[in-house]
Formats: sequence, structure tokens, C-alpha cells
Amino acid sequence: EPEVTQTPSHQVTQMGQEVILRCVPISNHLYFYWYRQILGQKVEFLVSFYNNEISEKSEIFDDQFSVERPDGSNFTLKIRSTKLEDSAMYFCASSETRTGEQFFGPGTRLTVL
Amino acid sequence: AQSVSQHNHHVILSEAASLELGCNYSYGGTVNLFWYVQYPGQHLQLLLKYFSGDPLVKGIKGFEAEFIKSKFSFNLRKPSVQWSDTAEYFCAVIDRGSTLGRLYFGRGTQLTVWP
Repeated sequence: EPEVTQTPSHQVTQMGQEVILRCVPISNHLYFYWYRQILGQKVEFLVSFYNNEISEKSEIFDDQFSVERPDGSNFTLKIRSTKLEDSAMYFCASSETRTGEQFFGPGTRLTVL
Repeated sequence: AQSVSQHNHHVILSEAASLELGCNYSYGGTVNLFWYVQYPGQHLQLLLKYFSGDPLVKGIKGFEAEFIKSKFSFNLRKPSVQWSDTAEYFCAVIDRGSTLGRLYFGRGTQLTVWP
């Protein structure tokens, strides 16, 4: 069964450093998402991506964040200058249709020291 | 913006007990509703979904949920839980009218089933 994959599973970085989180969505899916979950809190939407551009972004997704689909298979989330409060589990998801089931990857645990 | 409430943060049951997890959402328009489950060490998986039609939906592993539009609710049920149902359960909503597929999640309910 096809699945969404994410790398790395765990990333530790120093405050102020740039990180890139990688995702490979399911191949025939057209809609891509990033969510995050800070420990003990809700899963929060960050951004959606369709047709090679951002469809929607939340208030969390400020200028420090960017997304890219560099090669038609990978979908990346870049945090330009990490802050302590960026420590969270980051989930990538993809879906075939705009409002259908989203398939989630296993997540990347980001720890900012 | 949508808001999703899950009333129970942690539920502890013995095997064979019945389960009901509450979920309410705030928006009165047209929504798609989901329950996702996250087993320890695994990723979020879809348990069941409601888009339209019969408000009683059946999912995997014996779970079902009932959509009650008048109460903005989508409660998850299972008549007899097993130890393997120990996991975190998330209710989620997509507002079909105004977003491009953004999922709004509830806070999650941790279910612990004792053998």
C-alpha cells in the first residue's frame, strides 16, 4: 500500500539554524500539507500546496517558513532560522482530492536547543 | 475558523468495555468529518470518515461514528474494546465551503485499555 514517507525521523538543531524537513507524498496525490504538533497540544495546520504553489497558510506559517516541491516527488518544509518554540512533531500529508482523506507520514520530531 | 472539541483527554477502560469518545465542531456549514488514530510509535491513520449519506458510518477494527448535524457532533464508538485499541484518537474536520482542504483537529483523546 502506498504511503507518505518523511525524513529525518528526528532532527536536533541549534537555535538560529536552518532546517529542511523532507516528505515524499503518495505519487498520484495532488494536494500536500504540513502540520505540526507541539507536545501536549493540538495538531495544527501550517500550509497546503497545490499545483506548485501555496493554497493556504496559517498564521503560524510566517516568513521563516517556506515550502517547495523541487523535483516532482519530494515536498520540503524549510525553517530559515529556528526558534525554541519550533520544537514539535512535523507531519506531512497528501490527498487525492481537495476535501478527501489525507494520508499522513510518520512525522519528524524537531528539537531546537 | 473551525474549532473542534474532544471532551475526554484520557480514557481508561478494561477490555470488553464499551467506548464512546465525544467530538463537537463549531461550524454549521457543510463539513467532512474524520477520526484518525495514532498507535504508539506509528503515524496517524484514518479510522473512518463521513462525507454525506447515512450518518452512521463504520470504520476499521469495529469502530463506528454517528454524525448528528443538529448537535454538530461526530462521536466515535466501539461496543467492546481490546488491549490493542490503546492509542490516541483524533477527531478532525474539513470545512468544504471555505478552505482548500485544511484539516482542523481536536486535541486528541488518549485511550488506555487494560487487559
